Amino acid sequence: DTGVSQDPRHKITKRGQNVTFRCDPISEHNRLYWYRQTLGQGPEFLTYFQNEAQLEKSRLLSDRFSAERPKGSFSTLEIQRTEQGDSAMYLCASSTTGINTEAFFGQGTRLTVV
Amino acid sequence: AQKITQTQPGMFVQEKEAVTLDCTYDTSDQSYGLFWYKQPSSGEMIFLIYQGSYDEQNATEGRYSLNFQKARKSANLVISASQLGDSAMYFCAMPYTGRRALTFGSGTRLQVQP
Repeated sequence: DTGVSQDPRHKITKRGQNVTFRCDPISEHNRLYWYRQTLGQGPEFLTYFQNEAQLEKSRLLSDRFSAERPKGSFSTLEIQRTEQGDSAMYLCASSTTGINTEAFFGQGTRLTVV
Repeated sequence: AQKITQTQPGMFVQEKEAVTLDCTYDTSDQSYGLFWYKQPSSGEMIFLIYQGSYDEQNATEGRYSLNFQKARKSANLVISASQLGDSAMYFCAMPYTGRRALTFGSGTRLQVQP
């Protein structure tokens, strides 16, 4: 399967714990995006990488959130000191360079903070 | 700032019939694109169709077509010959001004009935 893969698919954590999610994009895609989706809503943009450079961060990305994409391949999203409000689906997407190219999404990581 | 509005939280359609999912948008950009994605219960966002603002003809991809009315700022998705597998959430999206990430509507849940 050469699509976008995310790991883990589900994560349950206690409030205050740190969690890390991984995203493996489609291999030839140099753009990578993280989105957050809460129940009944559309995805909301968190951050965007072009190769290894983090070019954009949403105001939703508080200082408890950090994302990396070392070597421009896979990416990790870490949430420190999780809060119940962090419970959501975290979606990763990748795309090629170009104007209005479609993004391909992974199946997401569902985070539940208890 | 862009805004995407999907006014139909839920829609029902009989199998083999056509259905139209509404999407209106607000942007000050002269050139822009509209995307439609499908999200089944598995969580993955699946790209369906794209329309550029300067495309002269409405986009078509198999059973999916866009009824794009630029003057009304609407980009409705038409699904012909609905199938049970079409049951899912459907999101309309467009890129943020000058950026690569997408802003999504709140989605429409489509249920296809046998």
